[in-house]
Amino acid sequence: EAEVAQSPRYKITEKSQAVAFWCDPISGHATLYWYRQILGQGPELLVQFQDESVVDDSQLPKDRFSAERLKGVDSTLKIQPAELGDSAMYLCASSLIGQGRTEAFFGQGTRLTVV
Amino acid sequence: AQSVTQPDIHITVSEGASLELRCNYSYGATPYLFWYVQSPGQGLQLLLKYFSGDTLVQGIKGFEAEFKRSQSSFNLRKPSVHWSDAAEYFCAVGFMNTGFQKLVFGTGTRLLVSP
Repeated sequence: EAEVAQSPRYKITEKSQAVAFWCDPISGHATLYWYRQILGQGPELLVQFQDESVVDDSQLPKDRFSAERLKGVDSTLKIQPAELGDSAMYLCASSLIGQGRTEAFFGQGTRLTVV
Repeated sequence: AQSVTQPDIHITVSEGASLELRCNYSYGATPYLFWYVQSPGQGLQLLLKYFSGDTLVQGIKGFEAEFKRSQSSFNLRKPSVHWSDAAEYFCAVGFMNTGFQKLVFGTGTRLLVSP
């Protein structure tokens, strides 16, 4: 069964350092989402791609976060510099198309701890 | 703005008893509706979805949900809970924004199953 792949599963970093997460969506899925989930809360959308284009990054803290999906396949989310408040689970999801009536499939997530 | 409310933060159910998790949404039109389940430290798994048609939808693991337009609700039910159902459950609303489907999550309900 096809899955969304994320790496690493766990990351510990010191504040002010740079950190990056990688996501490989299900093959053929044009839409890719990055969500942040703080412990005890629901996922919150950071950025949404349609192919290689960003269609929503309104909640992305652009002073420190960046995301790219250069060839419209896999994606990288970067934080620089990391802050203590960035400790969270970062979830990647993909869906077949973004124009409605499709469910999103989630990866296992990357648990980030900033110390 | 579109939003999802899950009024119960925690619910404890005895094994074998029935379960109902509540979900209310705020959206001007009929949204797409989803229930996801998350085990500790894991990603989200889709339980079921509603796009249109029959308002009672069946999902995996014996779960079902009913869409009630008049109440803006999409409650999740299971007739007999198993210990393995203990997890966090998230209701999500999909809606169209600038031609693309956005997915907004509730804050989740943690299900505890007692022997």
